[in-house]
Formats: sequence, structure tokens, C-alpha cells
Amino acid sequence: GAGVSQSPSNKVTEKGKDVELRCDPISGHTALYWYRQRLGQGLEFLIYFQGNSAPDKSGLPSDRFSAERTGESVSTLTIQRTQQEDSAVYLCASSLAHEREPSTDTQYFGPGTRLTVL
Amino acid sequence: KNQVEQSPQSLIILEGKNCTLQCNYTVSPFSNLRWYKQDTGRGPVSLTIMTFSENTKSNGRYTATLDADTKQSSLHITASQLSDSASYICVVALYNQAGTALIFGKGTTLSVSS
Repeated sequence: GAGVSQSPSNKVTEKGKDVELRCDPISGHTALYWYRQRLGQGLEFLIYFQGNSAPDKSGLPSDRFSAERTGESVSTLTIQRTQQEDSAVYLCASSLAHEREPSTDTQYFGPGTRLTVL
Repeated sequence: KNQVEQSPQSLIILEGKNCTLQCNYTVSPFSNLRWYKQDTGRGPVSLTIMTFSENTKSNGRYTATLDADTKQSSLHITASQLSDSASYICVVALYNQAGTALIFGKGTTLSVSS
């Protein structure tokens, strides 16, 4: 497919377990974003990767959250010791942005991973 | 505090009617403002992106305006269709010390009925 893909589409886990969410961006897109959307809330920016630059982690809510990206391809978002408050839809987006700045690039979003922590 | 506020929270209109959604922001330093459409269960889709120097931009039946002086933006939908039923999210981008940041509004839920 040509779009951003995410897996799994749904994840149910027990409190305290670790989870790993995957994002495959559009081929050739240098920028990749992770967002979180809790029920009834707006989108919340988590982390931004741009090429080989150091990622912008300013949106990560705690040190239990981390993300990695292999080159300009797949990214994984890891949540350690999950809490019920982590339950949300986690969205990934990619874009063609070539500078490490907000620009007028269009972000293409994946369908999201719905995480439920029991 | 950087904030993006949208109004109304929800809106119901009849098919074929026009509507206008509002977005007020207190974000500095401002880079650009985006409007997204998000269908239930789907990721957001970009409608328009405007920089400081742009005060209007259209995408089909969607027209966004931006007043950088009053820090207000609006999204006008013309001749609404049932498929316009969705959440419309206003997002403001800024520069910060860490690099980039995107501030999201909570969205306006639009329901178009026949």
C-alpha cells in the first residue's frame, strides 16, 4: 500500500506490561511523527523524527515512553509498565519535510493503534 | 501558555447548508496553522495549511481564513454533504527550544443530516 501503516490495529494489555507499537511511513518520507489521542480529547504530539537529526522528544509524557526509528523507515513506539491512563489511540504520521522545523508540509496519517490497558 | 481553542464543540446542520468553525490560539512564536478532518475511526486528513502571511486558503468546498493579528482562524464549509460529518481539528505549529511542536485543539464535531 502507498499510505502509512500501523500495527497492531488493536492492542489489549494488562497494567504493568510493556507494549510496542509499529509504524511504517510512506516510502521516501523523511519526517515521522507519533501522536496520542485519548477518548474525547484532542491529538497530543509525542515525538518527531527528521532524517538523521536527533528526535524531538518534547511531547513524551514520561520516561516510560520511548521511540526509535531505523534510518528513514519503520518506527516503533514502546511504552513500558503500562498504566490505565495510557489507554488511547496512537497515531503515526509521515511527511516529506526536509528541514528540522515546522513547515508547510502535509502529514499523512496512519489508521492508528487502539491501546487498551486493563 | 500555548493553547488552541475551538468552537463550537459540536454542530448539527442540514445537508446543503453552510457552516463556519472557529479556532482561537495563543501560540508563540507562530509558524503555521492547519485544519484537519478526522472521520470516526480514521486518522486525521489535512485540509489546509497557512503561514503567517496567508489569510485565506481554499480546498474545494473548504475555505480557511487566518487573522494573525487577532490570532483567529475559521473554517467555512460550503454546501455541506453527509460525508462532511467528522471532527475538524485546528492545529498550530510553533518553534520551541527543542525544535518543533504542534498544539492541537480538541476539535469540533460536525454532524450533517439529510
